[in-house]
Amino acid sequence: DAMVIQNPRYQVTQFGKPVTLSCSQTLNHNVMYWYQQKSSQAPKLLFHYYDKDFNNEADTPDNFQSRRPNTSFCFLDIRSPGLGDAAMYLCATSSPGLAGAYEQFFGPGTRLTVL
Amino acid sequence: QKEVEQDPGPLSVPEGAIVSLNCTYSNSAFQYFMWYRQYSRKGPELLMYTYSSGNKEDGRFTAQVDKSSKYISLFIRDSQPSDSATYLCASYNQGGKLIFGQGTELSVKP
Repeated sequence: DAMVIQNPRYQVTQFGKPVTLSCSQTLNHNVMYWYQQKSSQAPKLLFHYYDKDFNNEADTPDNFQSRRPNTSFCFLDIRSPGLGDAAMYLCATSSPGLAGAYEQFFGPGTRLTVL
Repeated sequence: QKEVEQDPGPLSVPEGAIVSLNCTYSNSAFQYFMWYRQYSRKGPELLMYTYSSGNKEDGRFTAQVDKSSKYISLFIRDSQPSDSATYLCASYNQGGKLIFGQGTELSVKP
């Protein structure tokens, strides 16, 4: 089945220790998104890629970076995690322009704990 | 003011009840309205979407949009314990960004 896969599902890191979360997709969608979702809050868009074009949200901290080496993979790098970065990180994909174009397909998320 | 507002609940109902979940939005330019369902420790999945005003029905679920009052509703008939999840309303803003409500946590008790 076509899907969005996130690894790892659970990640524990130490305060200030860099961490990388990964996302892969078999949907061949050209847009990939990273969201941060804290407990009982709405998902918050951090950035997205439209093909290779990177689009950063104005309020995304510099501590958060992303890479998309090819269509299938996208990475979220947190350079120096703080306690406030503990959250669920969701990857999503979409393919604007096709029927049902406005659906975003989400992965299962990576729950990040910062000690 | 948040662009999409939703009562976080939690909402607890007995099995078989009719559930009404509601959101309001502030931007009259919003056209597409979505409902996502998110089970615990999972990513959101699209449940339904509507374009502009009106109703859309899919099995036990009905999505309703009233653009005059900027009000979005999701009704669940004959609710089941398997419907227990967080329901997120969302809409695309003019910049193409999907704006989510906070989500309403629903629990359907057997």
